[in-house]
Amino acid sequence: NAGVMQNPRHLVRRRGQEARLRCSPMKGHSHVYWYRQLPEEGLKFMVYLQKENIIDESGMPKERFSAEFPKEGPSILRIQQVVRGDSAAYFCASSPLSGSSSYEQYFGPGTRLTVT
Amino acid sequence: GENVEQHPSTLSVQEGDSAVIKCTYSDSASNYFPWYKQELGKRPQLIIDIRSNVGEKKDQRIAVTLNKTAKHFSLHITETQPEDSAVYFCAASSRRDDKIIFGKGTRLHILP
Repeated sequence: NAGVMQNPRHLVRRRGQEARLRCSPMKGHSHVYWYRQLPEEGLKFMVYLQKENIIDESGMPKERFSAEFPKEGPSILRIQQVVRGDSAAYFCASSPLSGSSSYEQYFGPGTRLTVT
Repeated sequence: GENVEQHPSTLSVQEGDSAVIKCTYSDSASNYFPWYKQELGKRPQLIIDIRSNVGEKKDQRIAVTLNKTAKHFSLHITETQPEDSAVYFCAASSRRDDKIIFGKGTRLHILP
């Protein structure tokens, strides 16, 4: 059973460009979470999605950031017009739909975004 | 919303000694408390978790305790080894919104 997959693992963008980060949850998991981690800091919740639904986006900046989790394909975190402050590691996590383990979140390897 | 505080931010212990990391949470509806270990440049990995219907859980050298009344929970690592060196995050989640809120992390150094 493959774990949570994220790509790319490293992404370099110039200021003003767009960044697209992809996350494929573990097989059988239908909940996806995105977190941002700045260097030497903790994990900050950004958004929680189920298939075709954004459940909670309270941690997402109001502008330039968007997320989706389509019926088919990976979840995508999109950052438009990137700025230097967007440089961080972006982790995706997934959890099962229901059951006693429904809260357990398993993390992907992360995408390290560098804005130059 | 939920707020999780974690202490200390840095902890150094002699190899073989015990390490204790403490967290407090604010939302009384929180009922799930996972702990994650993150090595440098790696993903956070779930090492142990506890639900609000129990007060203690143990897995080999790792144990977690939960005091619902005081709203705090702790991670205990006994007989520490060099490979325990990492950043440890506590977290809390409630069924209210299924969102996990993390503490800011504790950098644990195991000294030879």
